Amino acid sequence: QVQLQESGPGLVKPSETLSLTCTVSGGSISGYYWSWIRQPPGKGLEWIGYTFDKGNAKYNPSFNSRLTISVDPSKNQFSLKVTSVTAADTAVYYCAREYGPRYFDYWGLGTLVTVSS
Amino acid sequence: QSALTQPRSVSGSPGQSVTISCSGTSNDVGGYSYVSWYQQYPGKAPKLIIYDVNKRPSGVPDRFSGSKSGNTASLTISGLQAEDEVDYYCCSYSGDYATVVFGGGTKLTVL
Repeated sequence: QVQLQESGPGLVKPSETLSLTCTVSGGSISGYYWSWIRQPPGKGLEWIGYTFDKGNAKYNPSFNSRLTISVDPSKNQFSLKVTSVTAADTAVYYCAREYGPRYFDYWGLGTLVTVSS
Repeated sequence: QSALTQPRSVSGSPGQSVTISCSGTSNDVGGYSYVSWYQQYPGKAPKLIIYDVNKRPSGVPDRFSGSKSGNTASLTISGLQAEDEVDYYCCSYSGDYATVVFGGGTKLTVL
């Protein structure tokens, strides 16, 4: 059974960089799309971006080039960096396996990141 | 990327059926058979309940079904149970950027 676990700081200051890592267990990270999705408090889901094969990535254009998603197959991990964060980036961040890009079949538990000074 | 349009809330009585709609465009819902639906309990991660418009993952009850007509996808829940009273999100592949886009979510109330 594939399991995903997000890790990283729960508090980030405005204008700084948000960094999260997702560790995948129970299966290989190779051969799939690996995504980040976020959910601001009380709001809906927003797809952030994904990485796939050999570190290629695709991002939600609404983030205006603030994103970097990378993969480390040797550790079965992938990571998210969001630069120049503001309070609007406060959200629960989920990592997920994306089959496709068509649907998300495995999700992490989610981690709350708060942007505040 | 514009979000797909879902009703903010729907309701139904135990045992009845409810349908949640998800409206998009010919560049997403209408153009591809890649609509998925997720169920989310408070404080929990979303769970995949329908993929590729009408397929159910193993373990999802057949009370949950999906369909699509034109630019609108639908999730139907039959035999409503109290435990179904949570949030539901649709998602579709979007040809605009070769990525996916979510709906705004629908809260289901079981009366």
